Amino acid sequence: GAVVSQHPSRVICKSGTSVKIECRSLDFQATTMFWYRQFPKQSLMLMATSNEGSKATYEQGVEKDKFLINHASLTLSTLTVTSAHPEDSSFYICSARVSADTQYFGPGTRLTVL
Amino acid sequence: GQSLEQPSEVTAVEGAIVQINCTYQTSGFYGLSWYQQHDGGAPTFLSYNALDGLEETGRFSSFLSRSDSYGYLLLQELQMKDSASYFCAVLDQTGANNLFFGTGTRLTVIP
Repeated sequence: GAVVSQHPSRVICKSGTSVKIECRSLDFQATTMFWYRQFPKQSLMLMATSNEGSKATYEQGVEKDKFLINHASLTLSTLTVTSAHPEDSSFYICSARVSADTQYFGPGTRLTVL
Repeated sequence: GQSLEQPSEVTAVEGAIVQINCTYQTSGFYGLSWYQQHDGGAPTFLSYNALDGLEETGRFSSFLSRSDSYGYLLLQELQMKDSASYFCAVLDQTGANNLFFGTGTRLTVIP
């Protein structure tokens, strides 16, 4: 089946720094990828839709200047959390669209901001 | 917007059958998916219903009633490894066919 990877799997950073998370589709091309955030014992919340070669579409309430998304190629989307603060600590998960009704999820990135 | 409701927790005995319900409200319904997530892991796809009726995949079955905006996941012959969180997710036809997840149901399988 389709494989999606994320890097890093865990990251700890100081408050005020920026963190970049990569999402790669390993054996297929994905024109559309999605970024989710999940707080402990809560559901996945869609943050944004990342489209190759164009600007990301952000969900209501998600700050686009804080969560920078770049989808520069058909196999890579990046999420940069800028000026991270402790409240940004969360589990960030990407997914890649394989077909109209199928997405494959990456293993997630655990971000801890001190 | 989208709204999906699931029971927060379910406990069942190993070998038994359990049903996890999901009711939804959405503006552009395309289909209902179910995902399993173990602690610290990524969601894994279980099933997808676009049309009314029952879809069976091994021990797991999923049902959809579009007129009732309702679906359920049925897990048979429960195993200890089935202890996990289960999410229903609506595939929304407005926009980019986005997935919007339900509140999640924590299933605990006991011996």
